[in-house]
Amino acid sequence: GENVEQHPSTLSVQEGDSAVIKCTYSDSASNYFPWYKQELGKRPQLIIDIRSNVGEKKDQRIAVTLNKTAKHFSLHITETQPEDSAVYFCAASINAGGTSYGKLTFGQGTILTVHP
Amino acid sequence: NAGVTQTPKFQVLKTGQSMTLQCAQDMNHEYMSWYRQDPGMGLRLIHYSVGAGITDQGEVPNGYNVSRSTTEDFPLRLLSAAPSQTSVYFCASSLSFNYGYTFGSGTRLTVV
Repeated sequence: GENVEQHPSTLSVQEGDSAVIKCTYSDSASNYFPWYKQELGKRPQLIIDIRSNVGEKKDQRIAVTLNKTAKHFSLHITETQPEDSAVYFCAASINAGGTSYGKLTFGQGTILTVHP
Repeated sequence: NAGVTQTPKFQVLKTGQSMTLQCAQDMNHEYMSWYRQDPGMGLRLIHYSVGAGITDQGEVPNGYNVSRSTTEDFPLRLLSAAPSQTSVYFCASSLSFNYGYTFGSGTRLTVV
């Protein structure tokens, strides 16, 4: 089945710096890649996603890039703010055929701390 | 829309007891999943469903059963609770395979 590896497990930055979180996946059939933010004690919430026919997507201070050949994708947060502090999860999903159809697999998470 | 509703929010069980965690969504989503979240382990998939009458196993299905008789509901049954099942359980739903999942608020389960 699909395996998603996420790095780093913890990331500490100063306010205003950029943060980058990287994920790799194992199944070349994966073609949907969402990112979730989870604040302490809360549910995960979708912040951005990318589909395999797109190489990059931006939404204000966050962006995601995808390299299907290398099977990796990354989350970029610019001008970080203390409220960006949370756990971030990447995930990968296969959308057609095979035994993993419809299954969303998560990475292990990255604890991001933004220091004022 | 209420979104994804999970009940109960908290539960304490004794080893060997059984119970059902409820999950309902009112968004007419076809895809629903159950995850467990343990410290340092991320979100691990227990069971998932791509539509009414269709379920499949995830990474950690042992000790759990699911059914999907309607589009709205996807209950998770613990057959005989064990301390290793102490965790936070999240139910999630999605419109389709390439749309983000919406998560419920979670159920914090403790098995003693």
